Amino acid sequence: KAGVTQTPRYLIKTRGQQVTLSCSPISGHRSVSWYQQTPGQGLQFLFEYFSETQRNKGNFPGRFSGRQFSNSRSEMNVSTLELGDSALYLCASSERTGSGANVLTFGAGSRLTVL
Amino acid sequence: AQSVSQHNHHVILSEAASLELGCNYSYGGTVNLFWYVQYPGQHLQLLLKYFSGDPLVKGIKGFEAEFIKSKFSFNLRKPSVQWSDTAEYFCAVNFYNQGGKLIFGQGTELSVKP
Repeated sequence: KAGVTQTPRYLIKTRGQQVTLSCSPISGHRSVSWYQQTPGQGLQFLFEYFSETQRNKGNFPGRFSGRQFSNSRSEMNVSTLELGDSALYLCASSERTGSGANVLTFGAGSRLTVL
Repeated sequence: AQSVSQHNHHVILSEAASLELGCNYSYGGTVNLFWYVQYPGQHLQLLLKYFSGDPLVKGIKGFEAEFIKSKFSFNLRKPSVQWSDTAEYFCAVNFYNQGGKLIFGQGTELSVKP
């Protein structure tokens, strides 16, 4: 089985721009979650999608948004980029959601640098 | 607020030494518990998990963890570390009624000297 695929792997943007990151989950996985990883704040939950619906959201400003498509692929968007948005953005997929008793499989991440 | 704390930020051990990494979480009722590992240049991988049942769980590569409910702890152990265990280790907790959301500890960087 192919793993969780994230594109692009690396990107550089300037302040004020927007960025879209893509995630393809493991085949058969219907839940996709996004996390931000930085040296200072560690791993922080952004949002969780299941069946094209956002099921849970972390404490991030409205500049961070996401969506899930009918084939379970997901995208996240960050608008009006700030220097502090520089981070590794991780996508994870799992078979189901709701109970939390399921295992997340993580992708390699998209490393965003904001100049 | 729900939180997870890992006691050590950086641990340095010699090969064959025993390892114990601490993880505590804030009270939140029923929890699901995880340890993930991130080897240099690689993505996060699951080491082990606890959902219910026997509080002593075994994972991959000889790792194990014990859930002590009364102490809100889920410490990771390995009797004898190898150089290849050099990595960053993350404790993560899923709190009741939070869907699939994981709250991660800050991570512990383990360096094993050959």
